[in-house]
Amino acid sequence: KAGVTQTPRYLIKTRGQQVTLSCSPISGHRSVSWYQQTPGQGLQFLFEYFSETQRNKGNFPGRFSGRQFSNSRSEMNVSTLELGDSALYLCASSLAPDREYEQYFGPGTRLTVT
Amino acid sequence: AQSVTQPDIHITVSEGASLELRCNYSYGATPYLFWYVQSPGQGLQLLLKYFSGDTLVQGIKGFEAEFKRSQSSFNLRKPSVHWSDAAEYFCAVGRGKAAGNKLTFGGGTRVLVKP
Repeated sequence: KAGVTQTPRYLIKTRGQQVTLSCSPISGHRSVSWYQQTPGQGLQFLFEYFSETQRNKGNFPGRFSGRQFSNSRSEMNVSTLELGDSALYLCASSLAPDREYEQYFGPGTRLTVT
Repeated sequence: AQSVTQPDIHITVSEGASLELRCNYSYGATPYLFWYVQSPGQGLQLLLKYFSGDTLVQGIKGFEAEFKRSQSSFNLRKPSVHWSDAAEYFCAVGRGKAAGNKLTFGGGTRVLVKP
């Protein structure tokens, strides 16, 4: 079974631009979560989607948004990029948003903002 | 609010020696606890998890962890380290169903293995 796929793997953007990252969960998984990983702040929860609905949102500004499609694929968008948005963005999928279900992480998208 | 602390930022261990990584959590109820490993340039891989029951849990790659409620700890151990265990390790806590799959991570411990 294929794992979680994230595209693109690397991205370089300029301040003020916007970016869209994509995540394809493991087949059959319906819950997708997003995390931001930076050297200073570590791993921080961004948001979680299940059945095309956002179930949880972390403490990030409104510039960060996401959505989930009917096939469970998810995208996250960051508008008006800032230098501090440079990070590894990780996507995780699980069968459902229940604490007993394991989450499987993708390899991440490395975003660099210049 | 829940929190996770990994007191050791870096640990250096000789190949073949034992390894113990510390994790302390703060959470009002019984948490769901996880250990993940991240190799350079990679995503996170789940090593083991604790939901309930036996407080000593076995994971992949020869790792085990022990949940101690009285100490709010969930330390990870491996009896004999291999060079391939060099990586960064993260402890994480999950909450109840209302919080879905949201995980709170510790700051991580980077493990260096000496030949």
